[in-house]
Amino acid sequence: DAMVIQNPRYQVTQFGKPVTLSCSQTLNHNVMYWYQQKSSQAPKLLFHYYDKDFNNEADTPDNFQSRRPNTSFCFLDIRSPGLGDAAMYLCATSSGTGVATDTQYFGPGTRLTVL
Amino acid sequence: AQSVSQHNHHVILSEAASLELGCNYSYGGTVNLFWYVQYPGQHLQLLLKYFSGDPLVKGIKGFEAEFIKSKFSFNLRKPSVQWSDTAEYFCAVNANTGGFKTIFGAGTRLFVKA
Repeated sequence: DAMVIQNPRYQVTQFGKPVTLSCSQTLNHNVMYWYQQKSSQAPKLLFHYYDKDFNNEADTPDNFQSRRPNTSFCFLDIRSPGLGDAAMYLCATSSGTGVATDTQYFGPGTRLTVL
Repeated sequence: AQSVSQHNHHVILSEAASLELGCNYSYGGTVNLFWYVQYPGQHLQLLLKYFSGDPLVKGIKGFEAEFIKSKFSFNLRKPSVQWSDTAEYFCAVNANTGGFKTIFGAGTRLFVKA
């Protein structure tokens, strides 16, 4: 089945120690998104790629970076994780053809714990 | 700034009860509206969406939602819930000028008692 895969599902890191979360997709979608979701809160868009075009949300901290080396893979790098960065990180994709009407397809998420 | 409000954070129903989950958004222009669902242990997935045409939208598993433009609302309904509808439900909005940015509500956790 075509899908969105996130690894690892659980990640524990230490305060200030860089961490990378990965996402891959077999849907061949143009758009890939990264969301941060804290407990009992809405998923919050951090950034997205349309193909190789990177789009950062204005309120995404500089501590968060992303890379998309090819269509299938996208990475979220947290350069110096703080305690406030503990959250579920969701990757999603969409075809990009409908733009605002696109359905997003989500991965299972990576739960990040910062010690 | 756009925002999405879901009125109930937790809802508990018995099987066969009717369901209505509220969703209101703040944006004056043309919007595209979504309901996503996350079943226990699964990923978020689309339940239904509205972008034009009939404001009453039917989705999977017997769910429907009605877009009422004058009330800035997109409430989710199901006439008779089942135990398997236990999940978290997220309302989401994308303004037509928002590109790929979708704003999500905080979610409503529904628990259906067997």
